[in-house]
Amino acid sequence: GAGVSQTPSNKVTEKGKYVELRCDPISGHTALYWYRQSLGQGPEFLIYFQGTGAADDSGLPNDRFFAVRPEGSVSTLKIQRTERGDSAVYLCASSARRSSGANVLTFGAGSRLTVL
Amino acid sequence: AQTVTQSQPEMSVQEAETVTLSCTYDTSENNYYLFWYKQPPSRQMILVIRQEAYKQQNATENRFSVNFQKAAKSFSLKISDSQLGDTAMYFCAYYHQGGSEKLVFGKGTKLTVNP
Repeated sequence: GAGVSQTPSNKVTEKGKYVELRCDPISGHTALYWYRQSLGQGPEFLIYFQGTGAADDSGLPNDRFFAVRPEGSVSTLKIQRTERGDSAVYLCASSARRSSGANVLTFGAGSRLTVL
Repeated sequence: AQTVTQSQPEMSVQEAETVTLSCTYDTSENNYYLFWYKQPPSRQMILVIRQEAYKQQNATENRFSVNFQKAAKSFSLKISDSQLGDTAMYFCAYYHQGGSEKLVFGKGTKLTVNP
């Protein structure tokens, strides 16, 4: 597509529930990133995919968080047993990773998750 | 670990005036990139300008320019002829080429342009 698409735009759930957030990157972009942005903060890195594999998942806060990208395009961020502290905007970004030069990320509009 | 610090949580400027947003960073690397992103209420992060650390010349994009001081690890953004549409959160970000493939962001500065 023309840009990075994220769904849903807003998600309200109850504590303990399972949620999935979807990211559709720009066509042809091999690199995909998930960030979490809490209120009043800058985005914090969660996970980075190069193709189908997670190249760096060091930002995932705990084992309740998991992300997949089975065909190297669309990615899903999965959160189990949600907690109120998971409430945040989850941003997805993609890039055409280059062997040299700046890795310029294009961001989606994010999914706002509210855990009641 | 690299860190990015934005010491101004909020700033305001009158329309048509000039404003400068500050950013400092900490790194032991020599080859890296710095970015300024704008985030309006729509939430979408928009790239404003970028700077390669190996270039001494400051980057410029229309009304936006940077003052990159490598030795001081400082990377400020100057917005000239401010417009109402410039009202947004502004984030400074760092990227190390050849290292972890992630952007490290500051906490942001909320800029309000007043009519």
